[in-house]
Amino acid sequence: EVQLLESGGGLAQPGGSLRLSCAASGFTFTSYAMSWVRQAPGKGLEWVSAISSSGGFTYYAGSVKGRFTISRDNSKNTLYLQMNSLRAEDTALYYCAKDDHGDPRGVFDYWGQGTLVPVSS
Amino acid sequence: QSALTQPPSASGSPGQSVTISCTGTSSDVGGYNYVSWYQQHPGKAPRLMIYEVSKRPSGVPDRFSGSKSGNTASLTVSGLQAEDEADYSCSSYAGSNNLVFGGGTKLTVL
Repeated sequence: EVQLLESGGGLAQPGGSLRLSCAASGFTFTSYAMSWVRQAPGKGLEWVSAISSSGGFTYYAGSVKGRFTISRDNSKNTLYLQMNSLRAEDTALYYCAKDDHGDPRGVFDYWGQGTLVPVSS
Repeated sequence: QSALTQPPSASGSPGQSVTISCTGTSSDVGGYNYVSWYQQHPGKAPRLMIYEVSKRPSGVPDRFSGSKSGNTASLTVSGLQAEDEADYSCSSYAGSNNLVFGGGTKLTVL
């Protein structure tokens, strides 16, 4: 059974940093691209960042480019999102999502339950 | 990148069919056959219902179908059932390794 378990969320101050993790199990982690997708309270889904299966290629939405860094440790089956210079508009539930291909295609066949990141002073 | 446009709400009676639209531009929906649809029940994670415009993942009922014409993609739910009541969101590849979502449509089964 595929499982994606996010952690690391919590209250952050504007300008602060936070690191999210996503522990994956039940599939061959090294074969699939992964993404972070967020959902602000009462709003729609927003793609944040993607990483190829090898970790060699990373992609970002314009709203987070230069502030967020996606990475993965294939030896630990874990995906990360380092979030710096946080803003109030980054407040959201952050989902880890598995792509159905080794290169990011934006086809997310499995999702975690999300980790909440409120940004407020 | 602007979000794709979806109607905020849609509704239908049990057994009826309902279609939800997702309008983009030639730079996203119209330019690629990488449109997906997700179902999301309150407090739950999204579930993939349709990918590559019209393909259904294993386990998704064939009551769900997808199509595309020009810059608009559509999700049709036939034979509506009570459990289909949920939020539905579309997404599309938008070039330059970008992905864009729609704002979501709340489907109500009357």
